[in-house]
Amino acid sequence: DAGVIQSPRHEVTEMGQEVTLRCKPISGHNSLFWYRQTMMRGLELLIYFNNNVPIDDSGMPEDRFSAKMPNASFSTLKIQPSEPRDSAVYFCASSWGGGREKLFFGSGTQLSVL
Amino acid sequence: GESVGLHLPTLSVQEGDNSIINCAYSNSASDYFIWYKQESGKGPQFIIDIRSNMDKRQGQRVTVLLNKTVKHLSLQIAATQPGDSAVYFCAENKAGNQFYFGTGTSLTVIP
Repeated sequence: DAGVIQSPRHEVTEMGQEVTLRCKPISGHNSLFWYRQTMMRGLELLIYFNNNVPIDDSGMPEDRFSAKMPNASFSTLKIQPSEPRDSAVYFCASSWGGGREKLFFGSGTQLSVL
Repeated sequence: GESVGLHLPTLSVQEGDNSIINCAYSNSASDYFIWYKQESGKGPQFIIDIRSNMDKRQGQRVTVLLNKTVKHLSLQIAATQPGDSAVYFCAENKAGNQFYFGTGTSLTVIP
């Protein structure tokens, strides 16, 4: 099993640019989560999907952030326009059992907005 | 133990000694708990979990203890090895809700 696959591993962009982060969950998992990790705030849940449907997006910081899951094997997190305060590591995780089972995390995307 | 804030608790142990990492969780209704290990540059990795109908669960070299009375969780690592050096997070989950993660404890194993 390849695990949760995220791309890119690193992203450096300038303020105002659009950023798209990608995630392929583990095959057979029905829940997908996007987390953001910073030293100041730790791991924060941004949004999670169950069976490709967004269930809770209350953690999405503002309208500049959007996430989609067009099918069971792919999700994107988009930031438009990006700002320096968005710099963080973004993790995607997946699980089966509607989020009541252990999460499997990807390796993350290190985002730097200059 | 863990707390939300700027400072990451640290723990240093000698190789071969046992390690105990503590976590105070916040929601008395939480009924599922997980310990994760995060090495530098990697995503959190599942170590062990426990549900609220248990007080103790053992894995390979690791034991998790749950004290619901005082809302306390601990992770014990036996015969700590250099490869155990990482940040350890506890996560709590309440039925129908998301996982909440603590800020983590940094474990350094001294050879």
